[in-house]
Amino acid sequence: GEDVEQSLFLSVREGDSSVINCTYTDSSSTYLYWYKQEPGAGLQLLTYIFSNMDMKQDQRLTVLLNKKDKHLSLRIADTQTGDSAIYFCAERRGRDDKIIFGKGTRLHILP
Amino acid sequence: GAVVSQHPSWVICKSGTSVKIECRSLDFQATTMFWYRQFPKQSLMLMATSNEGSKATYEQGVEKDKFLINHASLTLSTLTVTSAHPEDSSFYICSASPLWSKNTEAFFGQGTRLTVV
Repeated sequence: GEDVEQSLFLSVREGDSSVINCTYTDSSSTYLYWYKQEPGAGLQLLTYIFSNMDMKQDQRLTVLLNKKDKHLSLRIADTQTGDSAIYFCAERRGRDDKIIFGKGTRLHILP
Repeated sequence: GAVVSQHPSWVICKSGTSVKIECRSLDFQATTMFWYRQFPKQSLMLMATSNEGSKATYEQGVEKDKFLINHASLTLSTLTVTSAHPEDSSFYICSASPLWSKNTEAFFGQGTRLTVV
């Protein structure tokens, strides 16, 4: 199919790690992105990974890419209340350079 | 990071009128900008690709005569919703990739919430 798939909800206790998973479709995708959207706001680019990389770490964020399975994950260490948002996975398709988004995962932080 | 600014942030208009939304890259140039639409609790749907100096490329199912796109310069693209109807009410977001990033990074505006009454 043409869709980027993500689970819709994730609940995590404050201080624990959050792992948000995503599967994409285009084996020729060049870049894969994670965006954060807070209520009523636009998208904030959190991080991205080039398709020939396996992992990228940026402070509390770790991105893992399994190109064979077309699986991408975002790990947020020491999850805080400010991390509560919707997280979108997106791929930049190689064939037409368009960015296609998943439906977003709503991260809920439990006290 | 690079900044993309959309204006207005929100707009309420009467059914049948037209609304123009601006997307500006404030500190970089972009030959290509993208326009997305987001319905409540749904993902972003790509509407069209805006190319500086040429006609926009519309996604299947998007009416080009209804959603007019003009990309007059390397820092400005506009989306005009013509003869707006209540079903056009939505959150519209634009994005742009800086020339220097060679399309590695895409930055988004803060979005425009359109309500048609």
